[in-house]
Amino acid sequence: DAGVIQSPRHEVTEMGQEVTLRCKPISGHNSLFWYRQTMMRGLELLIYFNNNVPIDDSGMPEDRFSAKMPNASFSTLKIQPSEPRDSAVYFCASSGDLYNEQFFGPGTRLTVL
Amino acid sequence: GQQLNQSPQSMFIQEGEDVSMNCTSSSIFNTWLWYKQDPGEGPVLLIALYKAGELTSNGRLTAQFGITRKDSFLNISASIPSDVGIYFCAGEPYGGSQGNLIFGKGTKLSVKP
Repeated sequence: DAGVIQSPRHEVTEMGQEVTLRCKPISGHNSLFWYRQTMMRGLELLIYFNNNVPIDDSGMPEDRFSAKMPNASFSTLKIQPSEPRDSAVYFCASSGDLYNEQFFGPGTRLTVL
Repeated sequence: GQQLNQSPQSMFIQEGEDVSMNCTSSSIFNTWLWYKQDPGEGPVLLIALYKAGELTSNGRLTAQFGITRKDSFLNISASIPSDVGIYFCAGEPYGGSQGNLIFGKGTKLSVKP
């Protein structure tokens, strides 16, 4: 069974550039979560969707961050413009009826120079 | 905001030894979960707990939802080299948004053959 798929796995970009991270949740799951992981702050929830609708975006750090879920099988997290402090590993996770049992993707390691 | 205090931060043990780690909070939680993360990968769900006092096993792993609802522990019996990784506790705070998990900072486990 395919798990959560994220792309790209690694992204290196320069400050000021737009970055788009992509996620395909597990088929049949109706909740999707975006997390950021850093050494200093650990795993932080940025935003989550239920049935493609954003439910809680209180973790989104700034207006430079935006997320969309146009359909049940695809979501994007966009950073525009990117800054060096955005460097982190970004994870997408999805869950089904047991919404707390979240299944994580392999992550995208973002480096902003 | 709500925080989870996870301890110990790291452990160095001999293969075959038992391991115990825990998470505590000053707030009540509805759900406790334990995840394991290998280098370069996303966290993998090990055990989910939904009721105060619940004790659940998954192979050599055993976890309990504290009776006060403010803590949880994870035990690993007869450790093996592949147990190496970072273990995270996570919980859904009482009164919080469904699916909005708080993560501990992790326990890094090293196993010496």
